[in-house]
Amino acid sequence: SYVLTQPPSVSVAPGQTAKITCEGNNIGSKSVHWYQQKPGQAPVLVVFDDSDRPSGIPERFSGSNSGNTATLTLSRVEAGDEAAYYCQLWDSNTDHHVLFGGGTKLTVL
Amino acid sequence: QVQLVQSGTEVKNRGASVKVSCKASGYMFGSNGISWARQAPGQGLEWVGWISPHNGDTKYAEKFQGRVTMTTDISTNTAYMELRTLRSDDTAVYYCARVFGVDHFDSWGQGTLVVVSS
Repeated sequence: SYVLTQPPSVSVAPGQTAKITCEGNNIGSKSVHWYQQKPGQAPVLVVFDDSDRPSGIPERFSGSNSGNTATLTLSRVEAGDEAAYYCQLWDSNTDHHVLFGGGTKLTVL
Repeated sequence: QVQLVQSGTEVKNRGASVKVSCKASGYMFGSNGISWARQAPGQGLEWVGWISPHNGDTKYAEKFQGRVTMTTDISTNTAYMELRTLRSDDTAVYYCARVFGVDHFDSWGQGTLVVVSS
């Protein structure tokens, strides 16, 4: 079955750039979406269709997807960006239909 | 604005059933699917299934097939998820989410904690 692999944790200093990856076989051929989840809160969509941003999401959040890796990039990281980030896709070829990556905890140093 | 409001915390015994509700407002309920996902304590997100309020079509993740039923009530703009034969590892926060486009979730409920006690 299809698997999405994310690093468990990423650390970055304020003002720097954080890159969170999501690996899957030929993931570049699929649409990938990203969610931010802060402790005790529901997830929030931050990037959809690889690189589009919902209204209200800062331009500092961007996404890309090619080959076997999709990437969420956070520029000029702020303390408030500290959260878990999940990639997600819909794969009609699997019984799971919807897959989530295991999540990456972003720590702002 | 789009809002999904879920029912409150449930505590159930092993082997029992639980039914969680998700009331939608701020959009035409029949126009978007509703998905359900869950999150066990300290763990990641796990998709449970999807329902179309428009025609009642459902898709369930394989591991929940036979134990889960999703329904909607168009008259009250409410979606429901029933999980039967509860086990300890079903203890989790259950979320409903509106499906946008074909395949992603643009609004989420606040979550419902289901505790299965032995």
